[in-house]
Amino acid sequence: DAKTTQPTSMDCAEGRAANLPCNHSTISGNEYVYWYRQIHSQGPQYIIHGLKNNETNEMASLIITEDRKSSTLILPHATLRDTAVYYCIADTNFGNEKLTFGTGTRLTIIP
Amino acid sequence: GAGVSQSPSNKVTEKGKDVELRCDPISGHTALYWYRQRLGQGLEFLIYFQGNSAPDKSGLPSDRFSAERTGESVSTLTIQRTQQEDSAVYLCASSPVGTGGISRNIQYFGAGTRLSVL
Repeated sequence: DAKTTQPTSMDCAEGRAANLPCNHSTISGNEYVYWYRQIHSQGPQYIIHGLKNNETNEMASLIITEDRKSSTLILPHATLRDTAVYYCIADTNFGNEKLTFGTGTRLTIIP
Repeated sequence: GAGVSQSPSNKVTEKGKDVELRCDPISGHTALYWYRQRLGQGLEFLIYFQGNSAPDKSGLPSDRFSAERTGESVSTLTIQRTQQEDSAVYLCASSPVGTGGISRNIQYFGAGTRLSVL
C-alpha cells in the first residue's frame, strides 16, 4: 500500500466547505484512493473512493490531481456533525486485504 | 438494513482472565475483519476472514489471540490470559466482496467493543 500523508489537524467554520488534503506521491497505477472518517466513539465510516476521475456522492467530493500524487476531500457545507478524524488510504483491489489506517486528520468544525 | 453488530459494547476484566468478543456482520457479506484501536491511536489490523477461512492472520499480536468464524456469519475474537496492554477498542468490519472488485475495500464497521483489563 502506498504511504499517505495528511495534516494532523484542521479547523473549518460551520457552513463553509472543508477541504482535506492528502499526499500519496508513491501511489501505483492500480491503487485507488479511499476516504473514511471516524466520529468520536464510533467505528470508521466509508465516505468515497476514486482511481483517476473526480468523484462526488451525497457525502463529499473527491478531487484527484492528474498525476495522482495527491487528492482533496471536500465536504461542501460542513456541519458540527462532520467533526471527526478523516483517513486517506491508498490501496489496490487484490492481494493484501487489510486497510492500513494512518493517523488521519482531526477536523474540527467551529460553530 | 442492520449494520455490523458487536457485543459486548464494553467489557471490564481482570488481568489473566480470558475474554470473548463477538461480531455479527452484515448479512451476505463474505469478508470480515478485526482491528484494534488503542486510546488516541490509529487502527491496527488483526485478522481477515473470507468465508470461514482466515487467509491473513498477520496482525494477531501473540498466540494469546485467536479468532474463528462460523460460515459467513458470526465471528468471535478470543483473548486468553489478558494483559493490561490488551486494553483497547476492538473493531469488526465486513465487506460484500472478499476478493477482487473495487468494492472490496468498502468496509462497514461496528461500533466496537471497549475492553479494559484491570
